[in-house]
Amino acid sequence: DSGVTQTPKHLITATGQRVTLRCSPRSGDLSVYWYQQSLDQGLQFLIQYYNGEERAKGNILERFSAQQFPDLHSELNLSSLELGDSALYFCASSAAGTANTGELFFGEGSRLTVL
Amino acid sequence: DAKTTQPTSMDCAEGRAANLPCNHSTISGNEYVYWYRQIHSQGPQYIIHGLKNNETNEMASLIITEDRKSSTLILPHATLRDTAVYYCIVRVAMAGNTGKLIFGQGTTLQVKP
Repeated sequence: DSGVTQTPKHLITATGQRVTLRCSPRSGDLSVYWYQQSLDQGLQFLIQYYNGEERAKGNILERFSAQQFPDLHSELNLSSLELGDSALYFCASSAAGTANTGELFFGEGSRLTVL
Repeated sequence: DAKTTQPTSMDCAEGRAANLPCNHSTISGNEYVYWYRQIHSQGPQYIIHGLKNNETNEMASLIITEDRKSSTLILPHATLRDTAVYYCIVRVAMAGNTGKLIFGQGTTLQVKP
């Protein structure tokens, strides 16, 4: 158990819909990362937040957005869903300061199926 | 971050050592080598990392060549549960705020009975 919690574990929805994925980082971790893993793309970095602020952006579509709240949990919002958005979405967190070893702790993922 | 090259797949007999190579010929002096693995559809799991010295922990050993252009992850006694995709990643480790990890295609290790 990495200590990172993601909900829901599975989600089935239709094209055009909007969903929200939630991530609770490990206690005390300030950084949250979102990744997308589809069958033909591997693990793709989407976005990183650090203590509520966006820190790095990857291949995140304009239809997707994320935020990190004051209690450090994060949400990834996916809108106008397309079939190609079906994927595993992983959240990871990392420690800050002297506890930082460069290690990211990943959750078990949210599997999104768009029909 | 420097690019890495790994074989697409490898097999290993159960109980034998698994040696997974990684080439990172463009690595910079302040870049670390990290290894993660992903067991089927689970979240990636950190294994080990190093800068220039060899490293060992309860999971594996990391051997980095003297010129740092390549490294080898060693699983000393592979078990069936070690079947996974192994990712070699090179990046700067920044104190206070870790940077993102960029995953390549990795090496699919199949441990066989």
